[in-house]
Amino acid sequence: VTLLEQNPRWRLVPRGQAVNLRCILKNSQYPWMSWYQQDLQKQLQWLFTLRSPGDKEVKSLPGADYLATRVTDTELRLQVANMSQGRTLYCTCSGGLGGDNQDTQYFGPGTRLLVL
Amino acid sequence: GDKVKQSPSALSLQEGTNSALRCNFSIAATTVQWFLQNPRGSLINLFYLVPGTKENGRLKSTFNSKESYSTLHIRDAQLEDSGTYFCAADNSGTYQRFGTGTKLQVVP
Repeated sequence: VTLLEQNPRWRLVPRGQAVNLRCILKNSQYPWMSWYQQDLQKQLQWLFTLRSPGDKEVKSLPGADYLATRVTDTELRLQVANMSQGRTLYCTCSGGLGGDNQDTQYFGPGTRLLVL
Repeated sequence: GDKVKQSPSALSLQEGTNSALRCNFSIAATTVQWFLQNPRGSLINLFYLVPGTKENGRLKSTFNSKESYSTLHIRDAQLEDSGTYFCAADNSGTYQRFGTGTKLQVVP
């Protein structure tokens, strides 16, 4: 059973354009949702963890700017802007933070972004 | 990647043999996670550790916070164990830093 659905699965992004990603949670037993990025050199990086509808966070990193929003209990969004190089964004869900809850962290299939 | 160093960077194992992967930290870590990215790109959470040891099937992981390292032992390696193993050091939720990975190939 797939716990997380990410869309789109891939996207070509013209340089300078922003792109909006969605992650849909299929099982509310794992309500802690996060975004991770993986760059072209396969380096992974945690970006955000958002628990409650209405939570928002922004982050500027080398290579991209991010705005994450927890829209509902089952939907997490990510806007990626000013991207200089391609990357893959993974959504995760877990039963909680820390302890055995984080043993139950699951990853979505990822959204691959390529810069035109 | 410099603050969390993984070794070896790549490894080839005969099916049925054992091995250990290592993660050394030059930052304070209160917890450690180990992940596997399989050849299709899917990421799987293997362990979340406070200082101590956890075991799951043929995998066992230890986190020694005093000496700033963690190990992942693979027993009786199988073909499906192939992929890239990442460790990540977490400091009380304030940050999480990943290593650059160990690429493991299990051969028949």
